[in-house]
Amino acid sequence: EVQLVESGGGLVQPGGSLRLSCSASGFTFSKYAMHWVRQAPGKGLQYVSGVSSNGVTTRYADSVRGGFTISRDNSKNTLYLQMSSLRAEDTAVYYCVKSGALMVEPTFDYWGQGILVTVSS
Amino acid sequence: DIQMTQSPSTLSASVGDRVTITCRASQSINNWLAWYQQKPGEAPKLLIYKASTLESAVPSRFSGSGSGTEFTLTISSLQPGDFATYYCQRYDSYPVTFGQGTTVEIK
Repeated sequence: EVQLVESGGGLVQPGGSLRLSCSASGFTFSKYAMHWVRQAPGKGLQYVSGVSSNGVTTRYADSVRGGFTISRDNSKNTLYLQMSSLRAEDTAVYYCVKSGALMVEPTFDYWGQGILVTVSS
Repeated sequence: DIQMTQSPSTLSASVGDRVTITCRASQSINNWLAWYQQKPGEAPKLLIYKASTLESAVPSRFSGSGSGTEFTLTISSLQPGDFATYYCQRYDSYPVTFGQGTTVEIK
């Protein structure tokens, strides 16, 4: 059974930093692209970032480029999202998401339960 | 950027109804479109990809159609578990984007 478990969320002050982690199990992590998608309270879904199976290729939403960094450790089956210069508008539930093997076809077949990040003073 | 517009934003329907949700792209995305279902407090679930391909284990009452700029998600006979919010997603290029969502509520 595929499982994606996020951790590292919480309350952070504007301008602060936070690192999210996603522990994956139930599939061969190193063969699949992985992504982060967020959802602000009461709002719709927004793509944040993605990384290829080997970690070489990354993609970002314009709104987070330069402030967020996605990475992965295939030896630990773990996906990361380093978030810095956080703003109130980054407040959201962040989902760790698995897509297919090819990063060029990012449909999201498995989602974590999500973790809340709140940016507030 | 390519914009995705769903209609309606909210839809009231009864069990057994046929329901159709539309998603329009501001320019052609060929058939690079997926549909997701999200229930309150849960993560989204993939229903359909490549506009019309049903994801494994998704009931056959769900179907998708369209190409280019106009797409539809149809639920042939609404079931109690189908009351949820539905999102379309384009993935012809990065960054991928979602529609604003359509909430299907009980009439």
